[in-house]
Amino acid sequence: SQQGEEDPQALSIQEGENATMNCSYKTSINNLQWYRQNSGRGLVHLILIRSNEREKHSGRLRVTLDTSKKSSSLLITASRAADTASYFCATDSRWDTGNQFYFGTGTSLTVIP
Amino acid sequence: KAGVTQTPRYLIKTRGQQVTLSCSPISGHRSVSWYQQTPGQGLQFLFEYFSETQRNKGNFPGRFSGRQFSNSRSEMNVSTLELGDSALYLCASSWGTDKSETQYFGPGTRLLVL
Repeated sequence: SQQGEEDPQALSIQEGENATMNCSYKTSINNLQWYRQNSGRGLVHLILIRSNEREKHSGRLRVTLDTSKKSSSLLITASRAADTASYFCATDSRWDTGNQFYFGTGTSLTVIP
Repeated sequence: KAGVTQTPRYLIKTRGQQVTLSCSPISGHRSVSWYQQTPGQGLQFLFEYFSETQRNKGNFPGRFSGRQFSNSRSEMNVSTLELGDSALYLCASSWGTDKSETQYFGPGTRLLVL
């Protein structure tokens, strides 16, 4: 399986704190994306980082990518109760001809008001 | 623009039955992918369609099939349902097939097999 892993599996923080979650993957990639999922609903795209990028920002989100370690991290700054959700990283594979994504196992984030 | 829509949202079936799920992509999007999400296996790729052609298929048995119509709407079918097919089925659409394109997900169809 090319499914990645995320760490930690669950994270609980106070509102206003920063949340960091990590993702490791197994294959050579073109892109890595982060998604959010609220309570078993659809996935919401957060940010995409290309394999030739090391860091990317979007609002309160900061993503880093280390292709040598096959890992990425997502930092959410100044967290809010509305950030409570599961977060997934998704990678493509440089070797796939199609446009499929391999998702990590997810980190469940709880932000306590 | 309306987002990706999936119907039905919830479905209860019994073992041995078959089921058809529908996905309408964002207007103008021609690529549709399907994923299965279960607590045990997480999110797993089922198949991808572009311009009515299946481009890619995940590691699922032949009971899982799909198709795409000329208006880019897609259906997936699961025959001879098993208890393990209980899952959230998610559909995603994108404009084309570039791997750097954002895939927009629908709300999913939650299937329960009894």
